[in-house]
Amino acid sequence: GGIITQTPKFLIGQEGQKLTLKCQQNFNHDTMYWYRQDSGKGLRLIYYSITENDLQKGDLSEGYDASREKKSSFSLTVTSAQKNEMAVFLCASRGTGGPETLYFGSGTRLTVL
Amino acid sequence: GDSVTQKEGLVTLTEGLPVMLNCTYQTIYSNAFLFWYVHYLNESPRLLLKSSTDNKRTEHQGFHATLHKSSSSFHLQKSSAQLSDSALYYCALSDTPGGNYKPTFGKGTSLVVHP
Repeated sequence: GGIITQTPKFLIGQEGQKLTLKCQQNFNHDTMYWYRQDSGKGLRLIYYSITENDLQKGDLSEGYDASREKKSSFSLTVTSAQKNEMAVFLCASRGTGGPETLYFGSGTRLTVL
Repeated sequence: GDSVTQKEGLVTLTEGLPVMLNCTYQTIYSNAFLFWYVHYLNESPRLLLKSSTDNKRTEHQGFHATLHKSSSSFHLQKSSAQLSDSALYYCALSDTPGGNYKPTFGKGTSLVVHP
């Protein structure tokens, strides 16, 4: 089996700061995702990537950048952290062949002071 | 576009009572896959059930769900709730292969089971 590793687990930033979240997978999956999890709002897609060097915007991409320089890694940057923002960011990957199962990391919890 | 509706944001149950979490969906594709993911506190969300076959019951870890295309529903059920079932449950939809890489998630239902 494989694993998805997200770093850091906890991220504390200051208002206006640029913050980067990292995700690594060893499933050899092509497609990777970044979701934001907020209570009562479910999982909202920020960015996804179908293959290395591909980037696709999700429904919540404003205020974020992403990078997929290697097949195994997918990073997300908060371009300017918003004061009092708190959320959990989840990375996921999915194999090819159609509507396959998503495999998730354990998340990065962001707090902006 | 596709949509998934989980009408209950919070379900609170006494241990031993049956569980039913509602999920309805909209899609134009006849071969859509429906999924239930479970997210326990301090763990990663993971797949609980999935199905694309109409009227076939799918079971895993005591939970079951049946995809009913006629009513566009995929409700999650369990005969007897346990304290350890307390978690956040997401229903998700993924349509036909080859075109859509964006599964659609519902807003999630938080299940709280108390003694």
